[in-house]
Amino acid sequence: EVQLVESGGGLVQPGGSLRLSCAVSGFIVSDNYMSWVRQAPGKGLEWVSVLYSAGTTYYTDSVKGRFTISRDNSKNTVYLQMSSLRGEDTAVYYCVRDDYSNSPYYSGMDVWGQGTTVTVS
Amino acid sequence: DIQLTQSPSFLSASVGDRVTITCRASHNIYNSLAWYQQKPGKAPKRLIYGASTLQSGVPSRFSGSGSGTAFTLTISSLQPEDFATYYCQQLNSYPLTFGGGTKVEIK
Repeated sequence: EVQLVESGGGLVQPGGSLRLSCAVSGFIVSDNYMSWVRQAPGKGLEWVSVLYSAGTTYYTDSVKGRFTISRDNSKNTVYLQMSSLRGEDTAVYYCVRDDYSNSPYYSGMDVWGQGTTVTVS
Repeated sequence: DIQLTQSPSFLSASVGDRVTITCRASHNIYNSLAWYQQKPGKAPKRLIYGASTLQSGVPSRFSGSGSGTAFTLTISSLQPEDFATYYCQQLNSYPLTFGGGTKVEIK
């Protein structure tokens, strides 16, 4: 069964750090593009970062220099290291798989985790 | 960055109604658009990609159309389980962006 399970969220003070984990089962992380998407309380969805299978990374402007996406192939896990956290980073963070099954066309996000909540206060 | 404008942001409808949600892009995104449904406390679920391709397992009452800068999501006959918030997402370029969402509530 394809499953993404996030962990690592919690309450952190402004300026602090946190590392989110996304444990993947049912497919190989290193063969796929993986993203993090967040949703502030009562707000819409915001894409945060992507990690390509080849290792390339992209970030939304508001987190550049503060967040780092990475993976551990041996654990089939994706991470989001967050530092210099701000109140506006408060959100539910979702780990998602980017669907490139129709490569080179990107078909959106086909698998989502349940989310982990980060509160910066 | 490509901006997506969804309308309406809120919609009140009855079971059996035909519902149409619009998503407009600030630049030409060809057919690089997906639609998602999100229910309270749950992760979003992909409904449509490539502007009009229905995700496997999604009921056929959902359909998507459009290209370039104007897109629509249509629910042909609203069912009780369709009351949720819907988001469009452009897939054309980074940063990936979402529309502001359309909340569909029971009339």
